Amino acid sequence: EPEVTQTPSHQVTQMGQEVILRCVPISNHLYFYWYRQILGQKVEFLVSFYNNEISEKSEIFDDQFSVERPDGSNFTLKIRSTKLEDSAMYFCASSEGGGRPQHFGDGTRLSIL
Amino acid sequence: QKEVEQNSGPLSVPEGAIASLNCTYSDRGSQSFFWYRQYSGKSPELIMSIYSNGDKEDGRFTAQLNKASQYVSLLIRDSQPSDSATYLCAVNEGGSYIPTFGRGTSLIVHP
Repeated sequence: EPEVTQTPSHQVTQMGQEVILRCVPISNHLYFYWYRQILGQKVEFLVSFYNNEISEKSEIFDDQFSVERPDGSNFTLKIRSTKLEDSAMYFCASSEGGGRPQHFGDGTRLSIL
Repeated sequence: QKEVEQNSGPLSVPEGAIASLNCTYSDRGSQSFFWYRQYSGKSPELIMSIYSNGDKEDGRFTAQLNKASQYVSLLIRDSQPSDSATYLCAVNEGGSYIPTFGRGTSLIVHP
């Protein structure tokens, strides 16, 4: 069964550094998403991406964050100047269409020291 | 303010019993509803989606939707210890295709 893949599984970074989280969505899916989940808290939406542009973003997704689809398969989340509170699980998801079920990758655990 | 509410639990049921998980939502215009299972330290895994009032069955799982009362539930028949996880309700509220997630209900199935 096709799946969303994310790399790395765990990223440890010093505060203030930049990180890039990578995702390969399911190949025939058109919508891509990033979510985060701080330990013990609920899944929070960051951004959605469709037709090579951001279609919706949350208040969390400020100038510190950016997304890119550098080629036909990868979808990346860049976090600049990381802060301690950016420590969380970051999940990539994709769906066939808007409003359709989203399929999640295994996530990247980001630890900011 | 979009709200998706779930009892955090834990809900403890014996093996073989029916587990009933409930979720309420605030936006009467919501159109799409999803249940995800999340094991500790893992990602959400889609179990069911439901879009119309009534019941939808898939194996041991049944999703129930009542738009008039603004709740959606998940029944797990013949619960197994492997069903022990946190169950997340997600609702596409109003015209958005972005789901709002509840905090999840922790289910413990004991042998």
